[in-house]
Amino acid sequence: ESVLTQSPATLSLSPGERATLSCGASQSVSSSYLAWYQQKPGLAPRLLIYDASTRATGIPDRFSGSGSGTDFTLTISRLEPEDFAVYYCQHYGSSPLTFGGGTKVEIK
Amino acid sequence: QVQLVQSGAEVKKPGSSVKVSCKASGGTFSSDAISWVRQAPGQGLEWMGGIIPIFGTAKYAQKFQGRVTITADESTNTAYMELSSLRSEDTAVYYCARTPTSDYAWFDPWGQGTLVTVSS
Repeated sequence: ESVLTQSPATLSLSPGERATLSCGASQSVSSSYLAWYQQKPGLAPRLLIYDASTRATGIPDRFSGSGSGTDFTLTISRLEPEDFAVYYCQHYGSSPLTFGGGTKVEIK
Repeated sequence: QVQLVQSGAEVKKPGSSVKVSCKASGGTFSSDAISWVRQAPGQGLEWMGGIIPIFGTAKYAQKFQGRVTITADESTNTAYMELSSLRSEDTAVYYCARTPTSDYAWFDPWGQGTLVTVSS
């Protein structure tokens, strides 16, 4: 089972700043089969990125994903007020599918 | 645009079972994969397993093997997740989520979630 470790656990930033979230895998993720989600309190997660770097439909271009192998990054170029939330990475290269523990992006 | 609508909240006794439904509207899901993901209060996300209705067979995470049963009814575009031998640690929000391919991959969209509370 591939364990995903997200860092930092909490990121305190101001609107307009750049956010860089990391996701490390205990085993190499085949074919960059990695996704990122955003979750706000009381709501279901929303897909942002799949295949490590492909934005999902309707996702603003301030969200970008990169990485391969065991190291992946989600970057939010300029934080908007609606971007403060918890972000999860997820791999789907093998079973079981697993999620990282999440990074909370909070307002500084 | 496919939307997933789940059944309502449940309160169950320890040792009992719960069955949650997930109905697709705005399209069919026969060739998609439908997964179930749970989230305990204040915790992260955990994939339980899924089903690809066109193939009819389910896949389960080892942690839940023997305790979870995932099925699908293509005639009503509805998937089901039944969890048995409930314990307090199963208290969580249970989500269904779709992968628009005949494989388990990323999830989009998700259902609204069903809170299952296990309490004596």
